[in-house]
Amino acid sequence: LAKTTQPISMDSYEGQEVNITCSHNNIATNDYITWYQQFPSQGPRFIIQGYKTKVTNEVASLFIPADRKSSTLSLPRVSLSDTAVYYCLVGDNRDDKIIFGKGTRLHILP
Amino acid sequence: DSGVTQTPKHLITATGQRVTLRCSPRSGDLSVYWYQQSLDQGLQFLIQYYNGEERAKGNILERFSAQQFPDLHSELNLSSLELGDSALYFCASRTNTEGYTFGSGTRLTVV
Repeated sequence: LAKTTQPISMDSYEGQEVNITCSHNNIATNDYITWYQQFPSQGPRFIIQGYKTKVTNEVASLFIPADRKSSTLSLPRVSLSDTAVYYCLVGDNRDDKIIFGKGTRLHILP
Repeated sequence: DSGVTQTPKHLITATGQRVTLRCSPRSGDLSVYWYQQSLDQGLQFLIQYYNGEERAKGNILERFSAQQFPDLHSELNLSSLELGDSALYFCASRTNTEGYTFGSGTRLTVV
């Protein structure tokens, strides 16, 4: 299972674009990159998943360089409600015990 | 509503006691994953079942056990409870395209 490294915490302001980068130097050929969002006392929620280049949905964009050793979750025009913990996960979709780690605690300021 | 149902939402019990947490995966999902999250900690993988069989095991204590029944619901049994077992316990099911879908969790408080 590829180990991931992401910042412990980040602060930003409402209306700004926030980019959270995750390093995964040992990513395997079959691994996907998946990001989750967790609010206090709630279960994590799937945000976006990608394999290479760029993926965009209604919530976020995921940028993956050609070497796939890192990825960047981009949240456009954040609001106070985007304050949460964001987890970067790397693994084959057949992996049976994905490790979540401690994630990045994002704090949005007014 | 994520489609993954966990009961009860809250549980308060004394040290030394035993409790059972219940999880029903999304309709059609065969897998159930159990995670423990202590205060301000990451999610710790405990155990996974797939279609009634144990598939993977993480850092699950010997005092904890789980099973998945023919109707695919799962139960996590925690016995000889200690204060340190106080945590949020989540279950999840998973698909290849949508990743993990988590339930709303059971908050266990051991006093």
